[in-house]
Amino acid sequence: QKEVEQDPGPLSVPEGAIVSLNCTYSNSAFQYFMWYRQYSRKGPELLMYTYSSGNKEDGRFTAQVDKSSKYISLFIRDSQPSDSATYLCAMSGRRGSQGNLIFGKGTKLSVKP
Amino acid sequence: KAGVTQTPRYLIKTRGQQVTLSCSPISGHRSVSWYQQTPGQGLQFLFEYFSETQRNKGNFPGRFSGRQFSNSRSEMNVSTLELGDSALYLCASSGDGQGAPWEQFFGPGTRLTVL
Repeated sequence: QKEVEQDPGPLSVPEGAIVSLNCTYSNSAFQYFMWYRQYSRKGPELLMYTYSSGNKEDGRFTAQVDKSSKYISLFIRDSQPSDSATYLCAMSGRRGSQGNLIFGKGTKLSVKP
Repeated sequence: KAGVTQTPRYLIKTRGQQVTLSCSPISGHRSVSWYQQTPGQGLQFLFEYFSETQRNKGNFPGRFSGRQFSNSRSEMNVSTLELGDSALYLCASSGDGQGAPWEQFFGPGTRLTVL
């Protein structure tokens, strides 16, 4: 079983839809959770981050962490064509950037006008 | 403040050749990490440099190497290229590499194609 599982999609939705993106993980030590957005031919950009459990909201985006189920979600409300990108979840058990970050393979999202 | 820059953006090489990729971190950042991104394996950690020293290394063969200069700029080198090395190579920088994992910022990547 891989440490982080993410459905690769592709996921296609009409403009204005609510999008739900998810990842599951197996390592109970993970406590830092992130979502990155990656446009074609670009590097990943940080979208949302949470520490430990709970919800976090930023504009149209909401990140949720359920540590009991080892499940994290990203919700996009009122989706726009500009949201079309690949969304990567990432998680880590400790601080630092010395190779502790484990990424999902990404879900490709397409929002149709 | 300028972001992480990587050069070149695209490279085409043939099997057996070697290649050097360059990364300039955000001004003031001293930690540079390298990642390989492929459709099959996703994003995988290669190595991290801090103060010109390799601080951690991922599970890649010795053909993959890197270095960091006194100005924090970093290069990675892949020798004896194989077809499977075709990937997007990403560089990420952070202040000292000890902060929260979300405190590293990615560059646009170098797309390497091995023929």
